[in-house]
Amino acid sequence: KQEVTQIPAALSVPEGENLVLNCSFTDSAIYNLQWFRQDPGKGLTSLLLIQSSQREQTSGRLNASLDKSSGRSTLYIAASQPGDSATYLCAVSNDYKLSFGAGTTVTVRA
Amino acid sequence: GAGVSQSPRYKVAKRGQDVALRCDPISGHVSLFWYQQALGQGPEFLTYFQNEAQLDKSGLPSDRFFAERPEGSVSTLKIQRTQQEDSAVYLCASSLVPGRQDTQYFGPGTRLTVL
Repeated sequence: KQEVTQIPAALSVPEGENLVLNCSFTDSAIYNLQWFRQDPGKGLTSLLLIQSSQREQTSGRLNASLDKSSGRSTLYIAASQPGDSATYLCAVSNDYKLSFGAGTTVTVRA
Repeated sequence: GAGVSQSPRYKVAKRGQDVALRCDPISGHVSLFWYQQALGQGPEFLTYFQNEAQLDKSGLPSDRFFAERPEGSVSTLKIQRTQQEDSAVYLCASSLVPGRQDTQYFGPGTRLTVL
């Protein structure tokens, strides 16, 4: 069974600092990896999707890398803002369904 | 355009009651998924539909849980004789095409509290 771990569980940084969120998974035979954002009381918003053949994806201030062989992904958020405060979830797909980590809760202090 | 919608957004049930949770996927999306998210945890897969066919129900925790999508669009997750351990957020997601490569779009979830 795929196990997904996210470290740290929580992170608090001052505004402007760069964020580094880590995700690891046990079964490297994945099709893709997604990073989601979850705000309290709301659903999941997809931030980035990396196919298994890709090494990274970028969208604005967000950059995600994937090292499939070592079972790791990292989400970088540059120049953090208070609006980036949320829980960030990593999910991997070995088939059609997603296996999620427990998330990293980020607080950006103004 | 409209995203995935779910209703009700909040449901409080007494232990032993039956509940029904509704999901309206994005129009035209073939695949539909249900996930259960316990407090402080990531979502866990429950079941998967491709059009009206339920192709995988391996994540349903017990035979008290039942899901359907009779016309290949709206889906209902039914929980019979609710228990306190059923308290969670139930998330629905849809994707345009079947298979492994497509992004799943999530609804806001239904928060179920069983007293």
